[in-house]
Amino acid sequence: NAGVTQTPKFRVLKTGQSMTLLCAQDMNHEYMYWYRQDPGMGLRLIHYSVGEGTTAKGEVPDGYNVSRLKKQNFLLGLESAAPSQTSVYFCASSYSGTRWGQFFGPGTRLTVL
Amino acid sequence: AQSVTQLGSHVSVSEGALVLLRCNYSSSVPPYLFWYVQYPNQGLQLLLKYTSAATLVKGINGFEAEFKKSETSFHLTKPSAHMSDAAEYFCAVSEGGNAGNMLTFGGGTRLMVKP
Repeated sequence: NAGVTQTPKFRVLKTGQSMTLLCAQDMNHEYMYWYRQDPGMGLRLIHYSVGEGTTAKGEVPDGYNVSRLKKQNFLLGLESAAPSQTSVYFCASSYSGTRWGQFFGPGTRLTVL
Repeated sequence: AQSVTQLGSHVSVSEGALVLLRCNYSSSVPPYLFWYVQYPNQGLQLLLKYTSAATLVKGINGFEAEFKKSETSFHLTKPSAHMSDAAEYFCAVSEGGNAGNMLTFGGGTRLMVKP
């Protein structure tokens, strides 16, 4: 099993450009999450999904959109990138809610110039 | 609203010494509590979790944590540090129910182990 994978691993964007980050999991998990990690701030939840076709806002959703068209995939989109979105982005999945713990991908390092 | 405070953004210990990483939380309901470890350039890995069973929780790599409701704490310990323990550690809390879909993380503590 590959667990949770993220594509791409690194990306550099110019202000105003758009991009999509892909997260895939092969554990048949219902719940998936997108976080951003910034120095000294831990991880902050951007959006999450409790099942195929559902999404919900987390703590810092502004400037991001998500889609969960297939159970195994969770996409994070930036429509118009800003320097404040420079961060490391992590995807995670869990069997059902947080009680069971979350499994994390290796991260995507995004720089917006 | 739930929150997590990790005291000390950097902790340095000698190899073989006790490791103590502090975590205090606030929650309006009995929480679920977690410790995660992040090695350089990797994602987070679950070390251990408290979900209302035994208050002393044992995890991987010799780590354990004790849930103390009266102190709203969930400190992480390991009796003897190893060089391979050098990493960043994150404490996290979840309140269950609908909010149980969300984890709130502390700011992290970077553990350095000196030879």
